[in-house]
Amino acid sequence: DAGVTQSPTHLIKTRGQQVTLRCSPISGHKSVSWYQQVLGQGPQFIFQYYEKEERGRGNFPDRFSARQFPNYSSELNVNALLLGDSALYLCASSFEGFRGPETQYFGPGTRLLVL
Amino acid sequence: AQSVSQHNHHVILSEAASLELGCNYSYGGTVNLFWYVQYPGQHLQLLLKYFSGDPLVKGIKGFEAEFIKSKFSFNLRKPSVQWSDTAEYFCAVNPRGTYKYIFGTGTRLKVLA
Repeated sequence: DAGVTQSPTHLIKTRGQQVTLRCSPISGHKSVSWYQQVLGQGPQFIFQYYEKEERGRGNFPDRFSARQFPNYSSELNVNALLLGDSALYLCASSFEGFRGPETQYFGPGTRLLVL
Repeated sequence: AQSVSQHNHHVILSEAASLELGCNYSYGGTVNLFWYVQYPGQHLQLLLKYFSGDPLVKGIKGFEAEFIKSKFSFNLRKPSVQWSDTAEYFCAVNPRGTYKYIFGTGTRLKVLA
């Protein structure tokens, strides 16, 4: 089975621009989460989507938004980019068990550099 | 605020040495616990997880972790490390009933051949 896939792998943008990152979950997974990983730190939770609805949000400004499509793939949008948005953006998918979302499986990430 | 602490940021060991990486979290309720590993040039992979039951859980590649509820800890152990264990290790906590996964800052392990 294919794992979580993300595109693009690398991206360079300038301050003030907007960016869209894409994620395809593992087949059968309906939950997708987005994380930001700054160099030297652990992943920071941005959003979780399930069945196209936002189910959780971390401490990120409104410049960050996301959506999930009927095929459970997801996009993360970041507007008005700042230098501090430079990071590795990770997508993770999970199966929804009776306990709720279970183990998250991560994609390779999109490395965003803002100049 | 909920947080996860990994006390060792960098660890250097010789092959065959024993490993213990600390992980403590701050949350009073029930949690799901995870250890993830990131090998050089690869993405995050699940090493092991704890949801309930036996607090000693075994993962892949000979790793194990013990959940001590009274200490809010979930330390990772391996009796004898190998050069191929060189990687960054992340502890993560999911407060049960929420959708947040809170990660620690990671521990970089270097194993000398």
